[in-house]
Amino acid sequence: NAGVTQTPKFRILKIGQSMTLQCTQDMNHNYMYWYRQDPGMGLKLIYYSVGAGITDKGEVPNGYNVSRSTTEDFPLRLELAAPSQTSVYFCASRANTEAFFGQGTRLTVV
Amino acid sequence: RKEVEQDPGPFNVPEGATVAFNCTYSNSASQSFFWYRQDCRKEPKLLMSVYSSGNEDGRFTAQLNRASQYISLLIRDSKLSDSATYLCAVFGNEKLTFGTGTRLTIIP
Repeated sequence: NAGVTQTPKFRILKIGQSMTLQCTQDMNHNYMYWYRQDPGMGLKLIYYSVGAGITDKGEVPNGYNVSRSTTEDFPLRLELAAPSQTSVYFCASRANTEAFFGQGTRLTVV
Repeated sequence: RKEVEQDPGPFNVPEGATVAFNCTYSNSASQSFFWYRQDCRKEPKLLMSVYSSGNEDGRFTAQLNRASQYISLLIRDSKLSDSATYLCAVFGNEKLTFGTGTRLTIIP
């Protein structure tokens, strides 16, 4: 019963590098979300998806891209990493009520 | 105005006390409301959903006031294990939006 799985758990990137944060859910949920959480702050919505093939921008989408080719997967892409993208990234999926979160990816850009 | 506003605290209360959190939301068409708990360096986990009629789960009571657009969480007889950050969340327009979270520390 995996739920929402995020990889990697930790990553250090150099400025200008790119990477993809992976998110997979096995609950057949339509809704999926990417959030970032800066120290001592709440969750800010980066991108979300209401189903395969459909994605939309959230509150802070600049510097990120997403795709949703399948119901299960919702990867988040950073093309040119910047120090401002140092944060903890959470992926979540939701059916009708409760949203389930992955364990997060701690990203540091140096 | 932020979509969801929450007092960031911190709240430091003695064990056994009652503590209340409030959260306001701006979108009157919001459909669902939740309280999440987040422990340090962990992912948020659902504490309880919030219904217009109010709902209770042991020492926790959640209420929704649609007219005033706020939700509340009451914790009675607080325990040391209640120390955490509590986030309100609102679902509307396909998005799940969180407040900034309120840090609660229960003091022995």
